[in-house]
Amino acid sequence: SQTIHQWPATLVQPVGSPLSLECTVEGTSNPNLYWYRQAAGRGLQLLFYSVGIGQISSEVPQNLSASRPQDRQFILSSKKLLLSDSGFYLCAWSRGQGVSGNTIYFGEGSWLTVV
Amino acid sequence: GDSVTQMEGPVTLSEEAFLTINCTYTATGYPSLFWYVQYPGEGLQLLLKATKADDKGSNKGFEATYRKETTSFHLEKGSVQVSDSAVYFCALSGSNFGNEKLTFGTGTRLTIIP
Repeated sequence: SQTIHQWPATLVQPVGSPLSLECTVEGTSNPNLYWYRQAAGRGLQLLFYSVGIGQISSEVPQNLSASRPQDRQFILSSKKLLLSDSGFYLCAWSRGQGVSGNTIYFGEGSWLTVV
Repeated sequence: GDSVTQMEGPVTLSEEAFLTINCTYTATGYPSLFWYVQYPGEGLQLLLKATKADDKGSNKGFEATYRKETTSFHLEKGSVQVSDSAVYFCALSGSNFGNEKLTFGTGTRLTIIP
């Protein structure tokens, strides 16, 4: 069966510090990968998605970047965090070779507080 | 662009009450529709989905029917339990081949009191 893990689960970072959230998927190959953010009291916003190694699409301009160095690894980064980067970050995957209606599966999430 | 509008919360119900959470959407073509649930402190889990008009998704006593004529996908449950307390998100994915990016509603927080 497929599993998705992301870490760390919780972190508190000062403004201006770097960020790295990592996500890995097991039990499947060539998945589509996604990073979502859920800000306090708001819905989920798609930040990045990837259909293959080194292929990253950004949905919204922001202070964050994403990389996919391996097929099942997806990393969310920032060089200098802003207060507005605080939120709940969710990694997700779906089966590749896009078929409309494929389910997207989410990781456990990472709580980021920028202070 | 695609959008999802869902019933604003919070919603508080007594145990065994009937639940409806409204969801309507705007999209071109024939999107797939989903309900996800987020229990306290956890990530999102798929609750149910429907991929074409008139399909009914169901799971754990929850149901939702894909109504193209009203562009709706309302979530219902006949008798809620305390363990159903969570945030519920309605979502759609585009109908373009290979487009599985989800557009979410803002979520509805449900609290069930004993």
